[in-house]
Amino acid sequence: GAGVSQSPSNKVTEKGKDVELRCDPISGHTALYWYRQSLGQGLEFLIYFQGNSAPDKSGLPSDRFSAERTGGSVSTLTIQRTQQEDSAVYLCASSSMEGEKNIQYFGAGTRLSVL
Amino acid sequence: SQQGEEDPQALSIQEGENATMNCSYKTSINNLQWYRQNSGRGLVHLILIRSNEREKHSGRLRVTLDTSKKSSSLLITASRAADTASYFCATDLMFSGGYNKLIFGAGTRLAVHP
Repeated sequence: GAGVSQSPSNKVTEKGKDVELRCDPISGHTALYWYRQSLGQGLEFLIYFQGNSAPDKSGLPSDRFSAERTGGSVSTLTIQRTQQEDSAVYLCASSSMEGEKNIQYFGAGTRLSVL
Repeated sequence: SQQGEEDPQALSIQEGENATMNCSYKTSINNLQWYRQNSGRGLVHLILIRSNEREKHSGRLRVTLDTSKKSSSLLITASRAADTASYFCATDLMFSGGYNKLIFGAGTRLAVHP
């Protein structure tokens, strides 16, 4: 696609439920990142995928959070047993390893509300 | 704590005025980038300045980098109401293994009033 696509754009769930957030990166981008942004705050790094290398999971806040990237393209971020403090905007970004590989292209995010 | 920290946290100006935002960081970097975020949207890359560069221009944007002080500034000249957004600096840290991790600051919320 033309840009990074995230779905759903909004998700409301009840405390204790599991949620899955999806990210479809720019075609050909081998690097994919997940971030979390609380209201009025900066971005908190969660996880990074690069090609077939082992992902950098150092930013995941707890073992309730996990992410997969299938076939080097689409990624899903799963939050199990959601808590109210998980409410935030979850942003996905991708980047290319060609040219200006440092520049990240962001999706519009998924706004998660845990009631 | 965040690698990049912006100040001010919020800035309110009139159209036509210049807006200056600052970013400080703690460790050695490959480069520093500035991103913009409109309310409720994703971030958009504005400009990248490498560690061996001191100043860079793009349209009405001017970015400076002082590696000795570990600081950068973003200047928006002749601001417009459409410049209203949050602006984030992101430092690209040197990691072995051939990949880059961007560390974002908390951002400056800019409001430009007509």
